Amino acid sequence: IAGITQAPTSQILAAGRRMTLRCTQDMRHNAMYWYRQDLGLGLRLIHYSNTAGTTGKGEVPDGYSVSRANTDDFPLTLASAVPSQTSVYFCASSSIGGGSYNEQFFGPGTRLTVL
Amino acid sequence: GQNIDQPTEMTATEGAIVQINCTYQTSGFNGLFWYQQHAGEAPTFLSYNVLDGLEEKGRFSSFLSRSKGYSYLLLKELQMKDSASYLCAAQGGDDKIIFGKGTRLHILP
Repeated sequence: IAGITQAPTSQILAAGRRMTLRCTQDMRHNAMYWYRQDLGLGLRLIHYSNTAGTTGKGEVPDGYSVSRANTDDFPLTLASAVPSQTSVYFCASSSIGGGSYNEQFFGPGTRLTVL
Repeated sequence: GQNIDQPTEMTATEGAIVQINCTYQTSGFNGLFWYQQHAGEAPTFLSYNVLDGLEEKGRFSSFLSRSKGYSYLLLKELQMKDSASYLCAAQGGDDKIIFGKGTRLHILP
């Protein structure tokens, strides 16, 4: 793996179904993020994690949950998908603290359609 | 509240110079980022400013004025491949990064 990967690339999902979007990074970054990007609304932060074992809510967390069991993985779960969750989802990671600025590296995105 | 404002769309000619402006309001401030995003792709990092002044990196430069809550991205010698969205993002005092809605730049031959 080089950088940050996401799976699946795209998914069509029936409303009410449970779905987990996967994100893995191999850069040993301590911070990871989930964004959704919708036309006209830009990137909006859903959840974030500054280090393994901790998570926090972003701007639009309702309907989503995350976990950070280790440094590399940061899955995003939709417990019961709704059509308004149709979006492109980007995972990102960065190295924060230690005097470095936290430039974010983005995964390729997951295009999710909820019908 | 926290807010990022940038123009929705801009058009420029190949070989010319274009300046994309961004104003921001955050609770505390730890830096200003610019990202480039081509259609259907992920954002990629262009620049970071934390101190006032101009940072130059090849054809791209970024400027910051902390007292005015203002930044711009300057693109010189425009090429067709520069057609993309440019995202301004501000890092607040809590280290959270807030993104603007992006400026879609169209380059005409």
